[in-house]
Amino acid sequence: DAKTTQPPSMDCAEGRAANLPCNHSTISGNEYVYWYRQIHSQGPQYIIHGLKNNETNEMASLIITEDRKSSTLILPHATLRDTAVYYCIVRSKLKTSYDKVIFGPGTSLSVIP
Amino acid sequence: IAGITQAPTSQILAAGRRMTLRCTQDMRHNAMYWYRQDLGLGLRLIHYSNTAGTTGKGEVPDGYSVSRANTDDFPLTLASAVPSQTSVYFCASRETGLDNEQFFGPGTRLTVL
Repeated sequence: DAKTTQPPSMDCAEGRAANLPCNHSTISGNEYVYWYRQIHSQGPQYIIHGLKNNETNEMASLIITEDRKSSTLILPHATLRDTAVYYCIVRSKLKTSYDKVIFGPGTSLSVIP
Repeated sequence: IAGITQAPTSQILAAGRRMTLRCTQDMRHNAMYWYRQDLGLGLRLIHYSNTAGTTGKGEVPDGYSVSRANTDDFPLTLASAVPSQTSVYFCASRETGLDNEQFFGPGTRLTVL
């Protein structure tokens, strides 16, 4: 699985968009970008994933650069409940056997009132 | 039950004692996983099961055992607990195949004294 790099921490004002960057310069053709988050004392929660096209769901949008070497998770209107550690993960979607889902240190997002 | 449940929520255990952490999912997912999360080390895979009746070792299996008698349950047993097994344990499940993310339980906080 490709390695990812994220800033250790970010702040965002409540109601504003939170843009969380992730670098994955060694990503290969069959690897997808996944985002999870972990609110304090809870289990990780899946947010969104994509291959090369931008994706949007009810939680967030995922913007992947054309060369696929980086991506940005966008929370369009951050709330206090979005304060969490956000993990960017790159892994092959084709692996039907177990996958480690290797979580790096992630970005600690603090949403400020 | 909705999603994945784990029990107990937390436990303090004397070294040398036997302990079983329970995990149950109601999503009929084929694959289930046990992770431990330690500060600075992220999530590490202990054991996994691709389907009922099969199990496999992850990154840090020593001192732990699992069983998968049916689809829904995936208990993790510490035969003789040691202080280094103090951690937060997360169970996860996913449907094998394409386009399927992992769902995580709320975690069990275990302290071995």
